[in-house]
Amino acid sequence: DQQVKQNSPSLSVQEGRISILNCDYTNSMFDYFLWYKKYPAEGPTFLISISSIKDKNEDGRFTVFLNKSAKHLSLHIVPSQPGDSAVYFCAAVNGGSQGNLIFGKGTKLSVKP
Amino acid sequence: DVKVTQSSRYLVKRTGEKVFLECVQDMDHENMFWYRQDPGLGLRLIYFSYDVKMKEKGDIPEGYSVSREKKERFSLILESASTNQTSMYLCASVYMGQGRHEQYFGPGTRLTVT
Repeated sequence: DQQVKQNSPSLSVQEGRISILNCDYTNSMFDYFLWYKKYPAEGPTFLISISSIKDKNEDGRFTVFLNKSAKHLSLHIVPSQPGDSAVYFCAAVNGGSQGNLIFGKGTKLSVKP
Repeated sequence: DVKVTQSSRYLVKRTGEKVFLECVQDMDHENMFWYRQDPGLGLRLIYFSYDVKMKEKGDIPEGYSVSREKKERFSLILESASTNQTSMYLCASVYMGQGRHEQYFGPGTRLTVT
């Protein structure tokens, strides 16, 4: 059973507007959540992470919000730029284990000029 | 800027060959991980290291070994390559501490074993 779910396979946004990427999880033992951006044939690029004891973390244009009661997190990109077009993965750290990541299946973001 | 490099982007080897995959990071991180990525299976942890000369088995260590002689370098070794080890191999350099957890990936090595 998938522990980390990204239910939207794709998202299209106009340049300059906000992109909101969503992620749900099932395991309340996850202690960190990370967001990655990935281009084809490249490794994932780390964007931002959040500890499970926080509800918000911000870094430049990227903000991650965590709602523990709903087991939901989201990545906000403001303003969106054409260069943000990529596949975005949500990942959770398996708390209490070796620290390996469990990834969602990704959401393809297209930012149109 | 963060930098994780892997020795090869693409590699083709024959069954039974010994294969070395190298990963180098320049962030002075203590933790380094090796994953493999397969369609439908996601990322699976092979081995990790939390310090020089220290190593721990991940979820799928069989058929692999690792070496960490220097802090910046973590090598994955396929002792005798087999066709079921054809995969994308990803190395990660990991920062854990001060309430943060960040994993930085290299570009990946696509290994084909024939």
